[in-house]
Amino acid sequence: AAGVIQSPRHLIKEKRETATLKCYPIPRHDTVYWYQQGPGQDPQFLISFYEKMQSDKGSIPDRFSAQQFSDYHSELNMSSLELGDSALYFCASIKKGGSNEKLFFGSGTQLSVL
Amino acid sequence: KQEVTQIPAALSVPEGENLVLNCSFTDSAIYNLQWFRQDPGKGLTSLLLIQSSQREQTSGRLNASLDKSSGRSTLYIAASQPGDSATYLCAVIDYGQNFVFGPGTRLSVLP
Repeated sequence: AAGVIQSPRHLIKEKRETATLKCYPIPRHDTVYWYQQGPGQDPQFLISFYEKMQSDKGSIPDRFSAQQFSDYHSELNMSSLELGDSALYFCASIKKGGSNEKLFFGSGTQLSVL
Repeated sequence: KQEVTQIPAALSVPEGENLVLNCSFTDSAIYNLQWFRQDPGKGLTSLLLIQSSQREQTSGRLNASLDKSSGRSTLYIAASQPGDSATYLCAVIDYGQNFVFGPGTRLSVLP
């Protein structure tokens, strides 16, 4: 079965550079969530999209932006990168509306800012 | 604001033991609760989903229970194996389908 696909798997950037993370949800899933997970920490919610519209916003810095496209894939754009942005970034998808719908996660993008 | 806690933070057991992981939440108005497993540097794998109308779910050696009124869920792992070593996270889902994660329990099963 198709899973949530994230790219790239690893990314190394320098301070003040920009980065773009991509997420391809499970087919027919209409909702995408982005999470940031620092070492030894639980995932922190950044932002979510439902039907290509932003649905909720968490602790996403102003330097970051995201969008969901017509094919439901999503991109997280990160600018003016800081050392503290080094983390594992997860994308998750779900089809909203069903009571038995599970959240599925991608394998994550490991971002290292040097 | 929903807050989710998990006890213990870390657990080390010998192989073959049965064990219980605990998840507590402050707001009982939840839609669903989902348990995940995470291996180091990897994504989260869904284990069990309990709907708010259910009291438990079972999958293989895993059994998860939910008591909404007391704000608790437990994950029971029977006959633990070294391959069960991972971090286990619970996530509470509200009616807007927003997920709030607990900090996780790091489990080590020793051979």
